[in-house]
Amino acid sequence: NAGVMQNPRHLVRRRGQEARLRCSPMKGHSHVYWYRQLPEEGLKFMVYLQKENIIDESGMPKERFSAEFPKEGPSILRIQQVVRGDSAAYFCASSSTGGQNEQFFGPGTRLTVL
Amino acid sequence: GENVEQHPSTLSVQEGDSAVIKCTYSDSASNYFPWYKQELGKGPQLIIDIRSNVGEKKDQRIAVTLNKTAKHFSLHITETQPEDSAVYFCAATSNTGNQFYFGTGTSLTVIP
Repeated sequence: NAGVMQNPRHLVRRRGQEARLRCSPMKGHSHVYWYRQLPEEGLKFMVYLQKENIIDESGMPKERFSAEFPKEGPSILRIQQVVRGDSAAYFCASSSTGGQNEQFFGPGTRLTVL
Repeated sequence: GENVEQHPSTLSVQEGDSAVIKCTYSDSASNYFPWYKQELGKGPQLIIDIRSNVGEKKDQRIAVTLNKTAKHFSLHITETQPEDSAVYFCAATSNTGNQFYFGTGTSLTVIP
């Protein structure tokens, strides 16, 4: 059973460009979470999605950031008009049940904004 | 919202010694507390977890204790080995279960 998959693993963008990060949850998992990790810091929650629905986006910046988890295909975290402060590692986690239960993390996408 | 504090931020131990990492949380509605190990350049890996109806859980060299009254929980690693060297994060769930709140991490170094 493959784990959570994320791609690309590394992404370099110039200021003003768009970044699209993809996450395929573990097989059978319909709950997806996105977290951001700045260097030397812990992970910070961004958004929680179930298939086709955003459940909680309280941690996501109101502008430039969006997320989706379509009926078919991976979850996408999209950052428009990237700025240097967006440089971070972005991790996706998935869960089979949601709620106060296990989340399994992918290897992350390391975004560098030049 | 929940506030999770973790100590120490760095910890060095001799191979074979024990390591203890402590966390506190603020939201009494949290009832699930996982611990993750993160190696350089990789994603967090779940190593052990505990629920609020249990005071202690053990898995080989790793154990976690929870004091729900005091709102703190601890990770214990016995007989440490060099491959235990990594950053360890504690976490607590929000009252809705929609997100984890992570501690700031402990960088553990096991000296051979």
